[in-house]
Amino acid sequence: DAGVTQSPTHLIKTRGQQVTLRCSPKSGHDTVSWYQQALGQGPQFIFQYYEEEERQRGNFPDRFSGHQYPNYSSELNVNALLLGDSALYLCASSLELAGGARQETQYFGPGTRLLVL
Amino acid sequence: DAKTTQPPSMDCAEGRAANLPCNHSTISGNEYVYWYRQIHSQGPQYIIHGLKNNETNEMASLIITEDRKSSTLILPHATLRDTAVYYCIVRGAYSGNTPLVFGKGTRLSVIA
Repeated sequence: DAGVTQSPTHLIKTRGQQVTLRCSPKSGHDTVSWYQQALGQGPQFIFQYYEEEERQRGNFPDRFSGHQYPNYSSELNVNALLLGDSALYLCASSLELAGGARQETQYFGPGTRLLVL
Repeated sequence: DAKTTQPPSMDCAEGRAANLPCNHSTISGNEYVYWYRQIHSQGPQYIIHGLKNNETNEMASLIITEDRKSSTLILPHATLRDTAVYYCIVRGAYSGNTPLVFGKGTRLSVIA
């Protein structure tokens, strides 16, 4: 059973550039959430994609955007990179279940470490 | 903001049980308690979750107090590979995929 995969593992960019990070969800999962983890902090929620649409969004500027494809894989795009965007970017996948108070566990990938110089 | 309070760090001797506490005094009746851990530079790993009953799986046990205001994650026989940051998260059940709100967690050091 394939787990969540992310690419690339590491990336170095300069200020003002744009970056695209990729995520393939765990087999059978249809929902992808993205998190940013700055050094020494817990992960912070960026946004979530389901049925190819952004469903929820955290407190991140419009420079952060995403996409989900019909095969449920997802991309995170960051424009006009700032030094403060340097972080570990995590993708988590889960399965949307219908109705009730069920909780769908999110499983994380290994992350992409982005360094902005 | 995170709805949980955890000690910043703990030590545990290898082979002994590690008991990691978490306070969540404002938890609502339909909110779950989730535990994840993060080994250095890796993605968070799901451990266990529960609503009000104690839960056990192959990794750990979760003990939730009767008033649900606190819980304890128990690693029965800690090994050096259990050294990690452990996050206790309260997560609402209002919709299927509510985001996880991480605090700073507890850094567990397992000592040989």
